Amino acid sequence: GAGVSQSPRYKVAKRGQDVALRCDPISGHVSLFWYQQALGQGPEFLTYFQNEAQLDKSGLPSDRFFAERPEGSVSTLKIQRTQQEDSAVYLCASSSNRAAYEQYFGPGTRLTVT
Amino acid sequence: AQKVTQAQTEISVVEKEDVTLDCVYETRDTTYYLFWYKQPPSGELVFLIRRNSFDEQNEISGRYSWNFQKSTSSFNFTITASQVVDSAVYFCALILLTGGGNKLTFGTGTQLKVEL
Repeated sequence: GAGVSQSPRYKVAKRGQDVALRCDPISGHVSLFWYQQALGQGPEFLTYFQNEAQLDKSGLPSDRFFAERPEGSVSTLKIQRTQQEDSAVYLCASSSNRAAYEQYFGPGTRLTVT
Repeated sequence: AQKVTQAQTEISVVEKEDVTLDCVYETRDTTYYLFWYKQPPSGELVFLIRRNSFDEQNEISGRYSWNFQKSTSSFNFTITASQVVDSAVYFCALILLTGGGNKLTFGTGTQLKVEL
């Protein structure tokens, strides 16, 4: 079946603009995660949903970052008033109840803030 | 707080050489999973293996093998007879099974370059 998809794959934003990044998880996967990967670093956890409930948002770096998953499927990560330090690859992952600890990752969205 | 350390930033080998990627982790929890992921130039993280903290049995899958040693908090990954297609960044990661919320804690990755 189809894997995790993310759009857009690349996004260039001017500093101060708002951006929205989309994640389509694997069909039927109840858990969805967002990670931020800076250049040359490992991914870092941002937030976690189980169905539509956001159970952990401890990794969101500031109140400019907001994530939602209103119907328990597609998720959107929104960044308001983007700053240069927001430049990174944003990875989405999903997992099923049956294999809750096995996260499948999408290709990521590379955000460049100029 | 948990931590994963991959001290090797970059490794270069010639094809057919064996190579070992090191991973050391820190956690006070006794129940956790350890993972290895591969990130090719396309950027997508590919799951390779998951290991439960209670299972120290080493595992082999084709040219890949993993050595889990709780005594040294290490979970090393060996590629035998490396191939050019193995060139990628490899990440070691950890999930706590109690109160961890299923979030992965990653190391900084090891860039493996396999040359002809």
